Amino acid sequence: DAGVTQSPTHLIKTRGQQVTLRCSPKSGHDTVSWYQQALGQGPQFIFQYYEEEERQRGNFPDRFSGHQFPNYSSELNVNALLLGDSALYLCASQEGQFAYEQYFGPGTRLTVT
Amino acid sequence: DAKTTQPPSMDCAEGRAANLPCNHSTISGNEYVYWYRQIHSQGPQYIIHGLKNNETNEMASLIITEDRKSSTLILPHATLRDTAVYYCIVRGGATNKLIFGTGTLLAVQP
Repeated sequence: DAGVTQSPTHLIKTRGQQVTLRCSPKSGHDTVSWYQQALGQGPQFIFQYYEEEERQRGNFPDRFSGHQFPNYSSELNVNALLLGDSALYLCASQEGQFAYEQYFGPGTRLTVT
Repeated sequence: DAKTTQPPSMDCAEGRAANLPCNHSTISGNEYVYWYRQIHSQGPQYIIHGLKNNETNEMASLIITEDRKSSTLILPHATLRDTAVYYCIVRGGATNKLIFGTGTLLAVQP
């Protein structure tokens, strides 16, 4: 049974560019959350998708947007990249919108130069 | 969501019990205490959660004080593979987001 998978593993972008990160949830899971983890910090909640809609959002600007597909996979899009967007981006999935346990993927390391 | 306070780092000898404390003095009645850990270069991993009763699973035990203002995560027989950052999180039942602090870096020594 595959866990949460994310692609790509690493990515390097230039300031001002746009990036799309992808996440496939664990089998049987229908809810996906995205987190940003800066170096030396704990993960920060970006938003959560359930039934193809954004259900909750953290304190992130509109440059951060997402999408969930009918197969429950999800994308995180970041426009107009800033140096401060350099971080590990984590995807977490769960079974049901209010499940107790979230399963995290290994993350995508984004570097903005 | 309530904030949590954890020591930045702790050491533990391999084979001994690791006791990781967490203060959450502003916790509300409907908020749960969660513990996750993050091994270097991996995503966080769920360990255990509880509301007010002590909980135990195959990984750890969670002891919550009677006033619910603090808790302790116990790893009964720490191994080198338990070296990680441990996060204590307080989460309400009607919200999905986990609010991570900076956690406790547990270093298990041989």
